[in-house]
Amino acid sequence: GDSVTQMEGPVTLSEEAFLTINCTYTATGYPSLFWYVQYPGEGLQLLLKATKADDKGSNKGFEATYRKETTSFHLEKGSVQVSDSAVYFCALPKDGGTSYGKLTFGQGTILTVHP
Amino acid sequence: NAGVTQTPKFQVLKTGQSMTLQCAQDMNHNSMYWYRQDPGMGLRLIYYSASEGTTDKGEVPNGYNVSRLNKREFSLRLESAAPSQTSVYFCASGDTGYTGELFFGEGSRLTVL
Repeated sequence: GDSVTQMEGPVTLSEEAFLTINCTYTATGYPSLFWYVQYPGEGLQLLLKATKADDKGSNKGFEATYRKETTSFHLEKGSVQVSDSAVYFCALPKDGGTSYGKLTFGQGTILTVHP
Repeated sequence: NAGVTQTPKFQVLKTGQSMTLQCAQDMNHNSMYWYRQDPGMGLRLIYYSASEGTTDKGEVPNGYNVSRLNKREFSLRLESAAPSQTSVYFCASGDTGYTGELFFGEGSRLTVL
C-alpha cells in the first residue's frame, strides 16, 4: 500500500542554518504530495504542496520538489529561524490520490532551532 | 475566525468509561475527518465523513463510533475506553474539490488509565 518515510529526528539546528528533511514515498501513480507543519500546542496546517512531477511547492521560505525518479519530496529551507521549531509531516493521499482528506502521513520530524 | 473547534482539549478516563469528542467547523466544508496521533507513528485516520449523512471507516476504526450530526458537526465516541486509546485526537475538515488542504483543530489529549 501507499506509504511515506521521513528522516529520523529530532533535528536540532542553530538559527540561519540550512535545513533538509528527507521524505520518500511509495504510491500508485503520481499522487499530490504535501508537507504539513505542527507548531507547539496547535493542530497541523498545510505548509506546501505539489500536484505533479517536477513541481516545486513553496511557502514561508520552505521549498520541496516532487521527484518522481527518486520518489522523493524533500523539504528545504536556506536559513531557519527559531520560529520554525515545530513538527513537520510529509503526506500523500490514500487510495491512489482520489481523496485529499484521506492522507497517509509520515511519522513526523521534530525540528528545534536555537538562537 | 474559529475554523475547526474541538472539545474537550484534555480528558482522563478510566478503562471501560465512555466519552464523546465534539468537533465543529465553520468553513462550510463537505468533508470531515478524525485522526489520532501517536508518537513515532504520524497521524492515522479513524473515521471520515465525505458529506453530510455519510460516514466511513478509516485505517484504525476499532473501538470508535462517529456521528455526522449536520454539515458543521462530526463527533467521535469511545464506548468503552481502553489504554490503547490513549492518544491525541485531531478533527479536520476540507473541501472535496481540488484545493488539497485539510484544516485541523487544536487536538484533544485523551488519557485512559
